[in-house]
Amino acid sequence: GAVVSQHPSWVICKSGTSVKIECRSLDFQATTMFWYRQFPKQSLMLMATSNEGSKATYEQGVEKDKFLINHASLTLSTLTVTSAHPEDSSFYICSASPESYNEQFFGPGTRLTVL
Amino acid sequence: EDQVTQSPEALRLQEGESSSLNCSYTVSGLRGLFWYRQDPGKGPEFLFTLYSAGEEKEKERLKATLTKKESFLHITAPKPEDSATYLCAVLSGGSYIPTFGRGTSLIVHP
Repeated sequence: GAVVSQHPSWVICKSGTSVKIECRSLDFQATTMFWYRQFPKQSLMLMATSNEGSKATYEQGVEKDKFLINHASLTLSTLTVTSAHPEDSSFYICSASPESYNEQFFGPGTRLTVL
Repeated sequence: EDQVTQSPEALRLQEGESSSLNCSYTVSGLRGLFWYRQDPGKGPEFLFTLYSAGEEKEKERLKATLTKKESFLHITAPKPEDSATYLCAVLSGGSYIPTFGRGTSLIVHP
């Protein structure tokens, strides 16, 4: 149980385009999902907390107009990187917790490369 | 503010050479300490949750222990497939967002 999927697993796009990443909880409902960014050989950096039916909460320094988060249902959250630039290239990972669980369960991640 | 420090940053072992990874933490009211394994290019994989000092959990060659200040991840007779980055995280107080350490990169040579 507690499986989280992400799609796509990797994406290459041109500078200036927008990219959407989906995060799904496959066998549980998630009121809250989390989006992380990870640079090579560094730990996870929390970007935002995605709340079903309400606005996301962004960490300090993360541009909310740049990284649009939509949590439309209890099993799906999306992260859209708008007008992507090469510096947005990174590994993006989502996570979620079943209700009453303390642990977070992570998706497999999405590698974004912006040319 | 919660703090998590993992050591060493990197560890190289020979196959069969047992060792331990350390996770030191400072929190106000520990609700849980978590260990994850992360392979290159993949999301972290959940391993263990520890809740109180003295608690131990085992899975195959891994055993996690917890004191009031730190946790250890003991690796017994490691194999090359145990090579990965091991992440420690803590959850405290009324927060639902864990604080992660920077991880220990483990390489096990055959």
